[in-house]
Amino acid sequence: GQNIDQPTEMTATEGAIVQINCTYQTSGFNGLFWYQQHAGEAPTFLSYNVLDGLEEKGRFSSFLSRSKGYSYLLLKELQMKDSASYLCAVRDRNDYKLSFGAGTTVTVRA
Amino acid sequence: EAQVTQNPRYLITVTGKKLTVTCSQNMNHEYMSWYRQDPGLGLRQIYYSMNVEVTDKGDVPEGYKVSRKEKRNFPLILESPSPNQTSLYFCASSSRGRLGDIQYFGAGTRLSVL
Repeated sequence: GQNIDQPTEMTATEGAIVQINCTYQTSGFNGLFWYQQHAGEAPTFLSYNVLDGLEEKGRFSSFLSRSKGYSYLLLKELQMKDSASYLCAVRDRNDYKLSFGAGTTVTVRA
Repeated sequence: EAQVTQNPRYLITVTGKKLTVTCSQNMNHEYMSWYRQDPGLGLRQIYYSMNVEVTDKGDVPEGYKVSRKEKRNFPLILESPSPNQTSLYFCASSSRGRLGDIQYFGAGTRLSVL
């Protein structure tokens, strides 16, 4: 099974940078996903890491260290529309089960 | 348009009255899953299906049933709903690809069991 930890809430100012950490303990690792979920809406895919290192996608980047069981999602040049919950999810070797953290609510203030 | 469609979006029912939440995807995905989302607990997997006629339990399967008779449909059945099944439910589908199994979620079904 998985044990996934991420902070509950974070607040940042428009234009700033925020880093959301995710730590996990797993019996078998087969990829880590980040999803964004606006209030009352479905989660949408942001990024995927399976190898160590940084994946960059526009204003969003995601980092993975498998040896440390650690990932972060970096949001740059924050915009008001980035106010949402960010979900870290880990896939185990079963390859069909995806376990989610409880999510980090990011509030962007003007 | 590629999408996962759930129905109904909102449902209020009473304890013990059987209900079905439908889920359909038009992307020819092999894998489909059901999740429930509760405050502070995040998304928890109820059941998943790797293909037609292949289903397996997730982390919280008690009180739920599923079936996968066709590739596009994956209904969630609550035979005898109870108040602790009041939750926000999401159906998701995915397919193998270079970026792993990216899950596409339906819009959600908000269920209240009185």
